Amino acid sequence: SYVLTQPPSVSVAPGQTASITCGGDHIGSKNVHWYQQRPGQAPVLVVFDDSDRPSGIPERFSGSNFVDTATLTINRVEAGDEAAYYCQVWDAHSDHWVFGGGTKLTVL
Amino acid sequence: EVHLVQSGAEVKKPGESLRISCKASGYSFTSHWISWVRQMPGKGLEWMGKIDPRDSYTNYSPSFQGHVTISADKSISTAYLQWSSLRASDTAIYYCARREYNKNYGDNWGQGTLVTVSS
Repeated sequence: SYVLTQPPSVSVAPGQTASITCGGDHIGSKNVHWYQQRPGQAPVLVVFDDSDRPSGIPERFSGSNFVDTATLTINRVEAGDEAAYYCQVWDAHSDHWVFGGGTKLTVL
Repeated sequence: EVHLVQSGAEVKKPGESLRISCKASGYSFTSHWISWVRQMPGKGLEWMGKIDPRDSYTNYSPSFQGHVTISADKSISTAYLQWSSLRASDTAIYYCARREYNKNYGDNWGQGTLVTVSS
């Protein structure tokens, strides 16, 4: 089955840029989606199809996807961005969703 | 406005049965798949399976196939996740999420249902 690899944690100071990676074999050929999950809350979609944002998601959130690594970038990080972030793809072979292990973003 | 409202927290004993629900509103229930996602305590998200409310076609992750059943009642816009015999390892938060037919992500999620299985 397809595997997505994320770093367990990323730390960044307020106002700086956070980059969260998601690695997978030829992930550049798939559409990657990102979810934010604040403590005690349900996941929220923040980026879909590699780099599109749902309505209501700040422009500070952006995404990219090349070859074997997809990246979620959060510019001008705020305290409220502290959360776990999960990448997700659709495995066409099995018609299943696959999630990465999640990355805990800490705002210093 | 789209809402997925899940049933409340449950405390059960090993071997007991359970059905939790996810009621949709604010959109046509038969225009989107419903997926179920597990989150064990302190862990990440795991996709369990999905259902097409139009015809109740289901697709399960191998990790959950045979242990849970996903169903839907389109007359009341509600999807269900059920167990016939719970295990302690089923203790988790369960989320439902909606997905458009030509998309492959969850654009709206329920608030989650905490299931605790303990003797």
